Amino acid sequence: GNSVTQMEGPVTLSEEAFLTINCTYTATGYPSLFWYVQYPGEGLQLLLKATKADDKGSNKGFEATYRKETTSFHLEKGSVQVSDSAVYFCALRGSGNTPLVFGKGTRLSVIA
Amino acid sequence: GAVVSQHPSWVICKSGTSVKIECRSLDFQATTMFWYRQFPKQSLMLMATSNEGSKATYEQGVEKDKFLINHASLTLSTLTVTSAHPEDSSFYICSARVTGLGYTFGSGTRLTVV
Repeated sequence: GNSVTQMEGPVTLSEEAFLTINCTYTATGYPSLFWYVQYPGEGLQLLLKATKADDKGSNKGFEATYRKETTSFHLEKGSVQVSDSAVYFCALRGSGNTPLVFGKGTRLSVIA
Repeated sequence: GAVVSQHPSWVICKSGTSVKIECRSLDFQATTMFWYRQFPKQSLMLMATSNEGSKATYEQGVEKDKFLINHASLTLSTLTVTSAHPEDSSFYICSARVTGLGYTFGSGTRLTVV
């Protein structure tokens, strides 16, 4: 079945540091890939997505590229801010009206 | 748009009692609602998929008699944890897929059974 593996946290960075959160997936066919973010006390929010190979999703300075050859969708940001502190989830969706499959989440803490 | 309102956001209940969690789609019709639970430091695990007007489909290992799901209308889906036990303590979250907009999530319910 489909699955997502993402790096375990927590990740602690200083403000303006470079962020990478690794995500790899296993899926049949051609899944869509997502990054969701959960800020403290809030629900999940879509951060970015990519629906086909080589697509790059981007939002709020975050980027992730759908790499089919390495089955990866790593999340990057060049300069993190304290306000980026949250839990980040990598997820995939197969074809049709199917639910999302999530990774375990990575907690990011950015300190000033 | 495409907001799912989930209530309550947190609840503490005694062992043996039942707890109902509601998810309402405020500005769209949710034909399908997905219910997840999340244990500390774990991923969101799909529990069941509910379709309006029909029985929910449960994932393997999820007790359908314990986690009752009702999706009686296009704007309301409920999850009732029956005869709750401490091991049911978890974070429960609902999600609906909105045509053209992707997935939207409720804000989650943290259940603590004492």
